[in-house]
Amino acid sequence: QVQLQESGPGLVKPSQTLSLICTISGGSISSADYYWNWVRQPAGKGLEWIGRIYSSGTTNYNPSLKSRVTISVDSSKNQLSLMLTSVTAADTAVYFCARSPSIAIRQAFDNWGQGALVTVSS
Amino acid sequence: DIQMTQSPSSLSASVGDRVTITCRASQGISNYLAWYQQKPGRVPKLLIYAASTLQSGVPSRFSGSGSGTDFTLTITSLQPEDVATYYCQKYNSAPLTFGGGTKVEIK
Repeated sequence: QVQLQESGPGLVKPSQTLSLICTISGGSISSADYYWNWVRQPAGKGLEWIGRIYSSGTTNYNPSLKSRVTISVDSSKNQLSLMLTSVTAADTAVYFCARSPSIAIRQAFDNWGQGALVTVSS
Repeated sequence: DIQMTQSPSSLSASVGDRVTITCRASQGISNYLAWYQQKPGRVPKLLIYAASTLQSGVPSRFSGSGSGTDFTLTITSLQPEDVATYYCQKYNSAPLTFGGGTKVEIK
């Protein structure tokens, strides 16, 4: 059973960089069978897709965040990472990592991490 | 970018009622549509993908339909454990946009 677990600082100062890690256990992040995604959710609000990465290194980002986001993979550690620069209070949210199968018609998010709350505040 | 609009934003129904939630895409997305359930304080859970395919382990009272721009999620007999917010998501191409959510409560 593949499990995903987010980790990282729970508090980030405005204008700084938010960095989160998602550790995958029970499966390989290098598998060609999956995309790896980041999604966030401000308190009391809906879900926002941030971006994804495939085993080839190909990335796709939400246009609203593209200028500030980098998603990468460390295969040696089986980890997915998220970096979001120049954060503001509007970036305060629970951040989820999620897996989606690479087969086009099945690319819904079938496995999610528990989420990590990140608060942007001085 | 394609926008996903859900309606209603909230609803209240009695146990045993049939509940229908709609999701409309601003452009056609074929059947690249998923539905998720998020209970309060919990992680989203995939219910349906490919517009109408039930994810393994999901109760059969949940069903999805639609293609192109108009989609529906139906709960045939609402149960207390179905209290949650439901989201649609399009995934035909990036960005993988979610709908705004529909909060389902028990009357």
